[in-house]
Amino acid sequence: QKEVEQNSGPLSVPEGAIASLNCTYSDRVSQSFFWYRQYSGKSPELIMSIYSNGDKEDGRFTAQLNKASQYVSLLIRDSQPSDSATYLCAVYSNTGKLIFGQGTTLQVKP
Amino acid sequence: GAVVSQHPSWVICKSGTSVKIECRSLDFQATTMFWYRQFPKQSLMLMATSNEGSKATYEQGVEKDKFLINHASLTLSTLTVTSAHPEDSSFYICSALDRGYGYTFGSGTRLTVV
Repeated sequence: QKEVEQNSGPLSVPEGAIASLNCTYSDRVSQSFFWYRQYSGKSPELIMSIYSNGDKEDGRFTAQLNKASQYVSLLIRDSQPSDSATYLCAVYSNTGKLIFGQGTTLQVKP
Repeated sequence: GAVVSQHPSWVICKSGTSVKIECRSLDFQATTMFWYRQFPKQSLMLMATSNEGSKATYEQGVEKDKFLINHASLTLSTLTVTSAHPEDSSFYICSALDRGYGYTFGSGTRLTVV
């Protein structure tokens, strides 16, 4: 089992819709979770971090964390074509390393 | 915010030569930096953890004699790919941890070995 798992996609949504990206992790003691956006040929940029169960909202982005289910998600409201990118889920492990999932490719169609 | 500068952004080298990539934290001190490698359409794979003033910690399967890491100061870590081969062609990205801003990534280095 991979430490951090994501569906590679592509996930295709129409402009203006809600995009839902999901991630599961295997280390039950993980405490810190991150969502990064990566455009082709570029390095990742941090979108959201979440540490507590529940929802955390920042503009059009909402991160959701359920530690009991070892599940973290990212919702993007009012999706725009510029949101088209690969979204990487990352988990800070108890070994002090940031472990990435394989990423989900999001395509927002005008 | 925390800024990490990575240089060069791209490099082409001949097979058998060595290439050095620099990673600098510009406005904070980073006792720990991380080096990742990313092949096309794959995720970031951690290669090694660079610790200021001590030896780097390499992930399983990463050759420490091939990928030399030096972290001589609190703001600079370097990765040297020695005797590069075409299979080493990849996107190399460094990251540094700033307590206030979390993990910040450099802009990445596209290495092509011909």
